[in-house]
Formats: sequence, structure tokens, C-alpha cells
Amino acid sequence: QSVLTQPPSASGTPGQRVTISCSGSSSNIGSNFVNWYQQLPGTAPKLLIYNNNQRPPGVPDRLSGSKSGTSASLAISGLQSEDEADYYCATWDGSLNGRVFGGGTKLTVL
Amino acid sequence: EVQLLDSGGGLVQPGGSLRLSCAASGFTFSSYIMTWVRQAPGRGLEWVSAITDNAGSTYYADSVKGRFTISRDNSKNTLYLQLNSLRAEDTAVYYCARDKVLDYWGQGTLVTVSS
Repeated sequence: QSVLTQPPSASGTPGQRVTISCSGSSSNIGSNFVNWYQQLPGTAPKLLIYNNNQRPPGVPDRLSGSKSGTSASLAISGLQSEDEADYYCATWDGSLNGRVFGGGTKLTVL
Repeated sequence: EVQLLDSGGGLVQPGGSLRLSCAASGFTFSSYIMTWVRQAPGRGLEWVSAITDNAGSTYYADSVKGRFTISRDNSKNTLYLQLNSLRAEDTAVYYCARDKVLDYWGQGTLVTVSS
């Protein structure tokens, strides 16, 4: 049972916009920045979004992050086949004094 | 180019020990918080431990507290994770990652705990 709650799966067709949610509490998302990671099969995770809505160099602007209260979301517009991957949210939890991850969302491009 | 190279994994019996290493290059290692994250087969990511830039503070997940020890040698640009009293549930790929936002990751090293 993960501290942060994500839907286990999401899907969309090429060109569509999909959103992945991440729900937490006041001790984690509510008081800290949220980061998002993409993991392709058999590879290490890759940072997509940091500090709620910032993109590292090289991450396309069709990916965006947002946060409101104790929830965050990752939006992917103009869905492409190469977006098919697992996505994880993460943040610091002040009560646990450690970083916490969501359970991950498997995105399928139909 | 930032590079993190994980090593030290392998097959170990329950109750055994291993030391993982993460060799860093391409950035000023001594300026960054470093983190270990693991992923059990077919499961999600689990934060394991973190250490501040000067090793003044360390942090552990409850699942490993008292059994694992994180350390670093800034003169060798290397991060370590000492794994003791290993259990079957510690079987996972272990990744090192840079900074609080985990902006760069190693390739991972597989630890298998089995008799």
C-alpha cells in the first residue's frame, strides 16, 4: 500500500490528452514539491517533472505537471506510442521523514 | 555528462550481507544529496535511503532501518549502501539517484536474497 495513490492504469489513443492523478495528504503533497518519473520497460526511471511543474531540459512541453492541495497530476497531450510506460509521482513526507512514491500508473497507447 | 554506475549486487542467502556501490562522474559529487531507490520484481519504486552532501545526515525507510547503512566517500565520488540481515523481501533492483529530485539515475544492480 503506497502512501501516494495513483490509478494503476490509464490509456488513450494517439493525439489524445491523458491525465494521471496522484493523491496524498498534508504531510506529503500538501507541504512539499511533487516530482514525476517515467520508466520504460527494463530501464531506470527518468525525471519528467520536478517542483510540481518544472520540466528538465529535453522533456517536451506536451508534458505538464500541476498541484492543488494534497493532489497532483501529470498531463500528457498529443499522446504518442513512445509514451507507453509506467509513471510514478514522488514527494517528501514530513511525518515519515522520507521520500514516498506513488504505486505507479501503466499508460497504454491504444 | 552526468553518469552513475551501480554495482555490487548478487545472490545472497537470507541473513547475509552485501555492499552496493554507486560511482559518480560528470558533476561535483560532494555538492549533492544522494539517494538509493529499489524496485522489487514486477513492483513499483520504493525509496530506501538518502544522505546529505557532507554525510552529516542520513535518512532511511522504516523497512530497512537498523539493517541498511548509507555512506559516501566524496574523495572517491562514490556512494555506498551496506545491506545486512537481508530478507527475501529485500530482493530488488537497487538504483542510486542524484539530488532531492532524483534527476539522474544509475542503471541499477540486482540483489537476490534466496537460499
